[in-house]
Amino acid sequence: LAKTTQPISMDSYEGQEVNITCSHNNIATNDYITWYQQFPSQGPRFIIQGYKTKVTNEVASLFIPADRKSSTLSLPRVSLSDTAVYYCLVGDMEVSMNRDDKIIFGKGTRLHILP
Amino acid sequence: EAGVAQSPRYKIIEKRQSVAFWCNPISGHATLYWYQQILGQGPKLLIQFQNNGVVDDSQLPKDRFSAERLKGVDSTLKIQPAKLEDSAVYLCASSLDGAITGELFFGEGSRLTVL
Repeated sequence: LAKTTQPISMDSYEGQEVNITCSHNNIATNDYITWYQQFPSQGPRFIIQGYKTKVTNEVASLFIPADRKSSTLSLPRVSLSDTAVYYCLVGDMEVSMNRDDKIIFGKGTRLHILP
Repeated sequence: EAGVAQSPRYKIIEKRQSVAFWCNPISGHATLYWYQQILGQGPKLLIQFQNNGVVDDSQLPKDRFSAERLKGVDSTLKIQPAKLEDSAVYLCASSLDGAITGELFFGEGSRLTVL
C-alpha cells in the first residue's frame, strides 16, 4: 500500500485558493487517490477521487501529474467553514477477500482558515 | 438517504469495565469498517467486514476487542476489559461493494473515555 506524506498543518485566509499537496512515491498502477475531510466531532467525509490528470467537482479539484507520484487538492475561495483536517489516501479501493491492503489514514493536514 | 448510524455517541467507563458500540450501515452497503481515532491522529482500521465475513482484523487487539456483524447488516464492537489507552472515538463506516469509487461513508462516531 502506497505511503502518503502531506503537510501537518496549513493556514490560509478566507477567499483564497488553498492547495494541499500529497506525496505518494510508490503508488501502484491500480491505485486511486482519494481525499477526505474531517470536522471536529464528525467522521471523515469523502471529497474527491481521481486516477490521473484533473478531476473537478462542486467542492474541489484534484490535480495529478503524469507520474502520479504526488497529487494536489485545490480548494477554491475557502471560507471559515473549510477549517478541518484533510486526509490523502492512496490505494485500490476494490474489496477483495484475498488482499492485504488496508485503507490507511495518515495524520492528515490541519487546515486553518483565518478571517 | 439515511447515513451510517452509531450509538452511543458518548460513553464514560472505568478501566477494566466493558463497553459495546453499535453501528447500522447504509442500507445495501456490503462492506463495513470499524476505525479507532485517538485524539490528534488519523483513523486506524480495526476490522473490516464484507457482508458478515471478516476481511481484515489484523489491527484488532483480539485479547480485549471483539466485533461481529450478524446477518451482514448491523455490527457491534465490544471492548472487555477496557484500558486507559482505549480512550478514543470509534468510527463506523460503510461502502457499497463493487463501486469503483470505493467511497467510505462514516458515522459520527462513539467517543469513549476510560477513567
